[in-house]
Amino acid sequence: QQQVKQSPQSLIVQKGGISIINCAYENTAFDYFPWYQQFPGKGPALLIAIRPDVSEKKEGRFTISFNKSAKQFSLHIMDSQPGDSATYFCAASPETSGSRLTFGEGTQLTVNP
Amino acid sequence: NAGVTQTPKFQVLKTGQSMTLQCAQDMNHNSMYWYRQDPGMGLRLIYYSASEGTTDKGEVPNGYNVSRLNKREFSLRLESAAPSQTSVYFCATTPGDANTGELFFGEGSRLTVL
Repeated sequence: QQQVKQSPQSLIVQKGGISIINCAYENTAFDYFPWYQQFPGKGPALLIAIRPDVSEKKEGRFTISFNKSAKQFSLHIMDSQPGDSATYFCAASPETSGSRLTFGEGTQLTVNP
Repeated sequence: NAGVTQTPKFQVLKTGQSMTLQCAQDMNHNSMYWYRQDPGMGLRLIYYSASEGTTDKGEVPNGYNVSRLNKREFSLRLESAAPSQTSVYFCATTPGDANTGELFFGEGSRLTVL
């Protein structure tokens, strides 16, 4: 049972374009929503995170949009670069479970030069 | 400063064999985790240790055992490996078992069970 559903599985974007990855969750107790970035042969690393008290968080070219009523959140990568090519995972956890995150299935992003 | 170190990086086993994956961290973190990563399934929590001396089951614990040897080390043991355990295993740590969300991952151990 996948409590966090992520789409698309793969995404190809041209350099300079906008990459958008979507996630939906079921558990209304979730209150922490991070995104992780993983390069081949490496472990995932935290990219950006949001809590449901805000609808958007921006860090450089990366923005999380959060829709609590729809139980959805998304990652937008502006001005996508070839160096952004990686696998991206959304995740979620309720405060009571600490850092025991539930991850989405992952999206493999390719940014063509 | 190595962060989170996993050994071995690659391993091939035959069905029924046993092995232990080792994880060591030099970040002085209290909490440690073992995840497995499979294509199309994201990362799934196998076991975790909120602090030295405690361990708890995660989402997919069957077929695995863990030992929190000390604050630095958290090992994952496969007693009788099965092909379904072919996966990439990641160890991760956080400063404490609080909802900070930032997991620090090792580089993974790729296990193939024939």
